[in-house]
Amino acid sequence: QKEVEQDPGPLSVPEGAIVSLNCTYSNSAFQYFMWYRQYSRKGPELLMYTYSSGNKEDGRFTAQVDKSSKYISLFIRDSQPSDSATYLCAMSAHTGNQFYFGTGTSLTVIP
Amino acid sequence: NAGVTQTPKFQVLKTGQSMTLQCAQDMNHEYMSWYRQDPGMGLRLIHYSVGAGITDQGEVPNGYNVSRSTTEDFPLRLLSAAPSQTSVYFCASSYGQGLDEQYFGPGTRLTVT
Repeated sequence: QKEVEQDPGPLSVPEGAIVSLNCTYSNSAFQYFMWYRQYSRKGPELLMYTYSSGNKEDGRFTAQVDKSSKYISLFIRDSQPSDSATYLCAMSAHTGNQFYFGTGTSLTVIP
Repeated sequence: NAGVTQTPKFQVLKTGQSMTLQCAQDMNHEYMSWYRQDPGMGLRLIHYSVGAGITDQGEVPNGYNVSRSTTEDFPLRLLSAAPSQTSVYFCASSYGQGLDEQYFGPGTRLTVT
């Protein structure tokens, strides 16, 4: 079983829609959770990170962690065509430990 | 700052050939790492370094060597290329190993025939 599972999509939504991206994981020791955005033929860039359970908001983006269900989400409000990219989740048990990445979800926002 | 740079951008090798993927950063980051990205597998850590002279293995180290003689450079060597090493390789750096943001390079697309 993979450490981190992520639906690869592809996901296609109209401009302005609310997008929900999700990952599940099996290791209950994971405490640090990150979301990366990767444009085509580019390296990933960090969008948000959270520690333990709860929500974190940054502009149109909200990251949510539910440790009891081993489930994390990234919500994008008022989606824009510039949000079209692959979104990767990543998580780690301890600061200083290896991060485990999901396979990424491909998102297209249609104008 | 140029950030994290990788060369070459593309490379085609024959089975059994060796080569070095170059990675450099100008942000004075201590922590550097190499990942490979394959369809359906996500990013997997190959090797990492917590500072000059110190390297360690990640999740998929077999067939690869690294060294870290300076803070800026972290080359990845393929000893004897195999078709299974066809992938996109990313180098990343950060101040530390924790929640410090990892800055990724643009990647090297490697095909082994």
